Amino acid sequence: DVVMTQSPLSLPVTLGQPASISCRSSQSLVYSDGNTYLNWFQQRPGQSPRRLIYKVSNRDSGVPDRFSGSGSGTDFTLKISRVEAEDVGVYYCMQGTHWLMYTFGQGTKLEIK
Amino acid sequence: EVQLVESGGGLVKPGGSLRLSCAASGFTFSSYSMNWVRQAPGKGLEWVSSISSSSSYIYYADSVKGRFTISRDNAKNSLYLQMNSLRAEDTAVYYCAVIVDAFDIWGQGTMVTVSS
Repeated sequence: DVVMTQSPLSLPVTLGQPASISCRSSQSLVYSDGNTYLNWFQQRPGQSPRRLIYKVSNRDSGVPDRFSGSGSGTDFTLKISRVEAEDVGVYYCMQGTHWLMYTFGQGTKLEIK
Repeated sequence: EVQLVESGGGLVKPGGSLRLSCAASGFTFSSYSMNWVRQAPGKGLEWVSSISSSSSYIYYADSVKGRFTISRDNAKNSLYLQMNSLRAEDTAVYYCAVIVDAFDIWGQGTMVTVSS
């Protein structure tokens, strides 16, 4: 099974400052079609999750451009260029390379200092 | 409006059974694989089970294998999760979700509590 490991698990950030979350997989997430199916989700307090990024670096519709994803193979990063109050919540990476056998990271709780 | 609406959650005793439903609308349900994801109180997201668009492929997390059964009825635009031999550790909010390149859709979740 693929294990997804996020760090840090807690991320206090000052408003307007950047934030970065790391996600590592226990095996390569490169699929046989050449794509890497690594997603990032945001879950605000009391809400259902919503995806921010798919296939490492593609922003979903309506996602602000202050969110960006990068990485390859087994190492991935979600960056927020300038944290806003509405960004408070928990962020999860999820591998979708192993089709229909998905795995989430433990989650990173972002809070405002 | 594109949406998923879960139902069927509730309080059940250990060893009991429950059947969750997820009603889809606003998109071509029969074209997409579907998923159940759960979240125990105060915990992270856990993938539970997935089913391909035509039900040809079905997968389960090890934690529920042999106890839970996922199914779908494309004519009714509905997804199901039959949960048997429930344990305290199955207590969670259960979400149904579509997660594909083009979009993702999540329901509001339904709470399952396993307690005597």
